[in-house]
Amino acid sequence: DIQMTQSPPSLSASLGDKVTITCQASQNINKYIAWYQQKPGKAPGLLIHYTSTLVSGIPSRFSGSGSGRDYSFSISNVESEDIASYYCLQYDNSPYTFGAGTKLELK
Amino acid sequence: EVQLVESGGGLVQPGRSMKLSCAASGFTFSNYGMAWVRQAPTKGLEWVATISYDGSSTYYRDSVKGRFTISRDNAKSTLYLQMNSLRSEDTATYYCTRDDYGSYFDYWGQGVMVTVSS
Repeated sequence: DIQMTQSPPSLSASLGDKVTITCQASQNINKYIAWYQQKPGKAPGLLIHYTSTLVSGIPSRFSGSGSGRDYSFSISNVESEDIASYYCLQYDNSPYTFGAGTKLELK
Repeated sequence: EVQLVESGGGLVQPGRSMKLSCAASGFTFSNYGMAWVRQAPTKGLEWVATISYDGSSTYYRDSVKGRFTISRDNAKSTLYLQMNSLRSEDTATYYCTRDDYGSYFDYWGQGVMVTVSS
């Protein structure tokens, strides 16, 4: 199985900050990575797929990049509604595997 | 609007069975693969099982192989997960998800809680 090492586990940011989360795969995943946002008590919601393709309706302050084994997800100008947990998912190889998650909190 | 609504969760004793259902609407159900993803309390997300658009192919994570069965009824636009020989480590919120043509999970249900405990 492909292991997805996501960091950091938690992140503290002020409103307006830029934050970055990384996921490193245990092997090349050919850009087949998606990013999800999950708010407490809610289902995850898809933000980005294929490394950098933003889902329709998602604000442009969210972005993704990377290749090979190394990928990142950023939020520029953090807003209060962005306070949530974020997960990466590799879908290059079955079984699809998620990162352990990053909890974004307000400083 | 795509909607996925799970049902059938609750408290069950170890070793017993439970069947989850997911009613889909807002899209042509028979065109899409579907999957179950679970999340143990305060933990991360874990893929459980996937079924192809026509039900001809199924895939499971190792820890549920031989105990869980994913199935679908395209006439009813409903996905199922039959869970047998349940263990305490199966305790989780189970999400029904749409599989975007064998790739990422693009839509999720609200989730249903399954608690395995005596």
